[in-house]
Amino acid sequence: EAGVAQSPRYKIIEKRQSVAFWCNPISGHATLYWYQQILGQGPKLLIQFQNNGVVDDSQLPKDRFSAERLKGVDSTLKIQPAKLEDSAVYLCATLASLAGGGGTQYFGPGTRLTVL
Amino acid sequence: AQSVSQHNHHVILSEAASLELGCNYSYGGTVNLFWYVQYPGQHLQLLLKYFSGDPLVKGIKGFEAEFIKSKFSFNLRKPSVQWSDTAEYFCAVIPVSSYKLIFGSGTRLLVRP
Repeated sequence: EAGVAQSPRYKIIEKRQSVAFWCNPISGHATLYWYQQILGQGPKLLIQFQNNGVVDDSQLPKDRFSAERLKGVDSTLKIQPAKLEDSAVYLCATLASLAGGGGTQYFGPGTRLTVL
Repeated sequence: AQSVSQHNHHVILSEAASLELGCNYSYGGTVNLFWYVQYPGQHLQLLLKYFSGDPLVKGIKGFEAEFIKSKFSFNLRKPSVQWSDTAEYFCAVIPVSSYKLIFGSGTRLLVRP
């Protein structure tokens, strides 16, 4: 079974520039998450999709971050404009089903963003 | 607010030593519990999980964890660590009511050969 794919793996930009990350979930997984993992911390949820609808974006800094999941498959996360504190690893995770209160999430390799 | 606490940020052990990593969560309702591991240069992988039933769960590579509901704890254990267990370990909780996975800050384990 193919895993969660993310690209690019690494990105270096200057502050105030824009950047976009892409995620391709495991086939058939309806639920998709984006997390931000700052060095030395655990991943923090940014946004959750169920198919192509947003379930939870309460922790997404909407003034600069946006995400979409067109057609309920691939997803993109965008930062515009980037700040120094956005330097982190951005993780995509997918879940087959929310049955039982939330099952096992499968994580992609992440995109390491450095903002200079 | 719901949170997960991992008490040890860095642990250094010699091979064959026993391991116990603490994890406590703050939520009074039903939860699903997970331990994830991140080996150097690799992505997060599921080590083990608890949804219901026997509170002592066994995972991959000889790891196990015990859910103690009264203590809101889900500690990870391994009787004899190996150099290849060097990694960062994350405890995570899903409060069943919210479907949101909440991570602890992680514990970096270094096993010396």
